[in-house]
Amino acid sequence: AQSVTQLDSHVSVSEGTPVLLRCNYSSSYSPSLFWYVQHPNKGLQLLLKYTSAATLVKGINGFEAEFKKSETSFHLTKPSAHMSDAAEYFCVVSGMDSSYKLIFGSGTRLLVRP
Amino acid sequence: GAVVSQHPSRVICKSGTSVKIECRSLDFQATTMFWYRQFPKQSLMLMATSNEGSKATYEQGVEKDKFLINHASLTLSTLTVTSAHPEDSSFYICSASHRVLQSSDTQYFGPGTRLTVL
Repeated sequence: AQSVTQLDSHVSVSEGTPVLLRCNYSSSYSPSLFWYVQHPNKGLQLLLKYTSAATLVKGINGFEAEFKKSETSFHLTKPSAHMSDAAEYFCVVSGMDSSYKLIFGSGTRLLVRP
Repeated sequence: GAVVSQHPSRVICKSGTSVKIECRSLDFQATTMFWYRQFPKQSLMLMATSNEGSKATYEQGVEKDKFLINHASLTLSTLTVTSAHPEDSSFYICSASHRVLQSSDTQYFGPGTRLTVL
């Protein structure tokens, strides 16, 4: 069975400093992994997706994530935080069965201090 | 591309009434749509999966007679909360995917509907 663990419920950074949001996954198969962002009272926006083509995945808004099979990790990073990055971030793994269900992590709230 | 809309964005209703929420894929045909529920400061909980033209598959613990899902066309799915009660108040989010034109497991999410039952 697939599962995903987001290691931090809250992360606080200063504007202009790097962002690291941690995610570990468990999967019996080579998984599809996603990062989604949710701004307050909004739906989810796809930041990036890993599908085994390349271990370093570049997404929108300067975010990227690196798939590390040996560590079963898929951490999200950004070199320099912007105030508009403050939001909830979800690490997600595909269920890989015929239903294509997504399995969500518990979320990490990113706070950006001016 | 891959835009999903929901209507209404907010709805307030009295206890005992029914509420319908629409989910539309605007620029692609959604063979599969998903309905999620999100409680404050929590992650998304999958309620059901619906494939166009067939009955929805509900997750364990979700009452199918209370949360009626219809996926009558490739661009529209509806969720009807029947006989709503205050405990049904929540943020409802739909998503859509297409197994041919887009990667099969990528879901595109709507903006959500905030339901408040008085």
